[in-house]
Amino acid sequence: QVHLVEFGGGVVQPGRSLRLSCAASGFTFSSYGMHWVRQAPGKGLEWVAVIWFDGSNKYFGDSVKGRFTISRDNSKNTVYLQMNSLRAEDTAMYYCARDRAGRARLQIDYWGQGTLVTVSS
Amino acid sequence: QSVLTQPPSVSAAPGQRVTISCSGSSSNIGNGNNYVSWFQQLPGAAPKLLIFDNNQRPSGIPDRFSGSKSGTSATLGITGLQTGDEADYYCGTWDSSLSAGVFGGGTKLTVL
Repeated sequence: QVHLVEFGGGVVQPGRSLRLSCAASGFTFSSYGMHWVRQAPGKGLEWVAVIWFDGSNKYFGDSVKGRFTISRDNSKNTVYLQMNSLRAEDTAMYYCARDRAGRARLQIDYWGQGTLVTVSS
Repeated sequence: QSVLTQPPSVSAAPGQRVTISCSGSSSNIGNGNNYVSWFQQLPGAAPKLLIFDNNQRPSGIPDRFSGSKSGTSATLGITGLQTGDEADYYCGTWDSSLSAGVFGGGTKLTVL
């Protein structure tokens, strides 16, 4: 069965960097697009980024554009989110999610359990 | 301010039917290349897929849940409400003008 496990969350100071990882199993990882979606405490879902199955295309939400990057290693079945210049408003639970398509267009079918990122001095 | 607009809350009695609307535009819901999904988030849990491709249910999702799309809006319907249906519900799709994923602000369902 599809399993997504996020790693790398924690407490980080404003302006610093953090890299999240998402380890996938139970499916042919290299065939699917992968998303990161976040949820601030008590708030709704916010789409962060997506990477296509082969890494050829990446798209980002306006609030993270220029600060966050997404990448994947299909040999390790892992997708990453590199977060730079972190701000207090980046504090959220970060979810990794699989798209039903390789050329992803937000057709998410599976979610991880999330990893919490807290940006605070 | 979310790109997709949902009512903040809805409520109904057990056994009743409720609908949740999701309003967008021609660049997201109204674009025939973009499909609407609906997600259920129980308290303290990760979201879970309820409806994909506007009106399709994944295996394991009961037929009490249904989805539809018309023009630039989509609707989630839930019949035979149960207390276990109390959750936050989100619509989501792709926006072709933004080249970005978009979600509604979420709707909290209360089963009275």
